[in-house]
Amino acid sequence: GNSVTQMEGPVTLSEEAFLTINCTYTATGYPSLFWYVQYPGEGLQLLLKATKADDKGSNKGFEATYRKETTSFHLEKGSVQVSDSAVYFCAWGGGATNKLIFGTGTLLAVQP
Amino acid sequence: DTAVSQTPKYLVTQMGNDKSIKCEQNLGHDTMYWYKQDSKKFLKIMFSYNNKELIINETVPNRFSPKSPDKAHLNLHINSLELGDSAVYFCASSPGNNYGYTFGSGTRLTVV
Repeated sequence: GNSVTQMEGPVTLSEEAFLTINCTYTATGYPSLFWYVQYPGEGLQLLLKATKADDKGSNKGFEATYRKETTSFHLEKGSVQVSDSAVYFCAWGGGATNKLIFGTGTLLAVQP
Repeated sequence: DTAVSQTPKYLVTQMGNDKSIKCEQNLGHDTMYWYKQDSKKFLKIMFSYNNKELIINETVPNRFSPKSPDKAHLNLHINSLELGDSAVYFCASSPGNNYGYTFGSGTRLTVV
């Protein structure tokens, strides 16, 4: 069935380290792909998205490229900050109902 | 000006009670959603309405009943609350495919 698999956390990094959070999906058709971020006690915020193969989404220094051949949408950032500490969710969506299917979330903890 | 607002933010209630959570969006979106986030942060869709019409009804106990009086509002009523209903419930809205969702800040429901 349709699903999203993302790497388990927690991911603990030092400030200014390079970040990768892996995400792969299983879907029929051509879904849109998203990364959401959830800060403690808050709702989810859209971080970036890509709507077709080879598109790159980017925002606030984060990037992810829609790779159809590997069904992946890995999140990267060149230099993380303490303020990036949050839970990151990969999701795919589409179809007649625009339902979003989420991965299990990856907790990122950045230490000064 | 909050885009998607939910009330209440916190709800503590006893088993067997009936409670409602309200959601309103001022974005002009046609589609609204309810998601449940469990203690492990896993997000699962429950319901979706498009312009007051129910379009997604996942496998949810029939103690849960959504109601959409107009396209800007989607409420969730829960009868006979059980311990397992304790979770954070998120409302979201979307203008359509490829745009992702805008989430509310969540309602933390605790059943004691």
